[in-house]
Amino acid sequence: KAGVTQTPRYLIKTRGQQVTLSCSPISGHRSVSWYQQTPGQGLQFLFEYFSETQRNKGNFPGRFSGRQFSNSRSEMNVSTLELGDSALYLCASSLEGLATDTQYFGPGTRLTVL
Amino acid sequence: GQSLEQPSEVTAVEGAIVQINCTYQTSGFYGLSWYQQHDGGAPTFLSYNALDGLEETGRFSSFLSRSDSYGYLLLQELQMKDSASYFCAVRDYSSASKIIFGSGTRLSIRP
Repeated sequence: KAGVTQTPRYLIKTRGQQVTLSCSPISGHRSVSWYQQTPGQGLQFLFEYFSETQRNKGNFPGRFSGRQFSNSRSEMNVSTLELGDSALYLCASSLEGLATDTQYFGPGTRLTVL
Repeated sequence: GQSLEQPSEVTAVEGAIVQINCTYQTSGFYGLSWYQQHDGGAPTFLSYNALDGLEETGRFSSFLSRSDSYGYLLLQELQMKDSASYFCAVRDYSSASKIIFGSGTRLSIRP
C-alpha cells in the first residue's frame, strides 16, 4: 500500500505571496492532519480533517487554511506569507482519526520564505 | 494550558539502555504515543499507551502513569541507527481533541 505523499517537496516563496500544499493520504484513510515543524517550536498542530470537515484547529492565524476533498486528499493554503512561515509542513493520515489510530506521516514540504 | 515536556537532548552508548521521559499537563487525554524522526525524515509511529503500565515492542518499551502525569520511552540494546529525535504526543480531549506533541528529545548514540 502506498504511503502518504506530499507535493511539492520543496518550495521557495517571497513574503506576501500565497502557497498551496497538497497531501494524499494512504488509501482508505479518512483523517488527515497537518503540522508545522520548526527547529525552535517542534511539531505544532495546524488542523485536522475528516470526511471533508475540519474536525479541529490549532492556534494559528487565519492565514492558514485547509480543505479536504471527497477522495480524502487534502490541501493547505497559507496566504500573505511571512518569513516566520518558513518550516517543514507535514501531513499525517489515519483511518478514522481516533485516538487509538496510528498516524502515518508524509515526507513533508519544506517551505522557505524569502 | 496543555503541554508535554521532554528533555531536549540525551546521549547514550551503543549497546546500553536509555530512558526518554515525557511529563504532561493536560486535564484529559486518550493515550500517549511515541514517534521517532531521523534527520531529514518523517516521524514514524513507535508505540501507544492507552492504559497505565508498560507496553513492549521489541527493543522499545513505553510506560504510562496517569496518576503521576508521566510517561517514558525505553530503548534497549541501543544501535547507532537509533540516533534520532523522539516525540511523545497525546490527543487532548479537554481541548476539542487537538493533537499535541512534545518538543522532542534528540538522542545521540556514541560507539
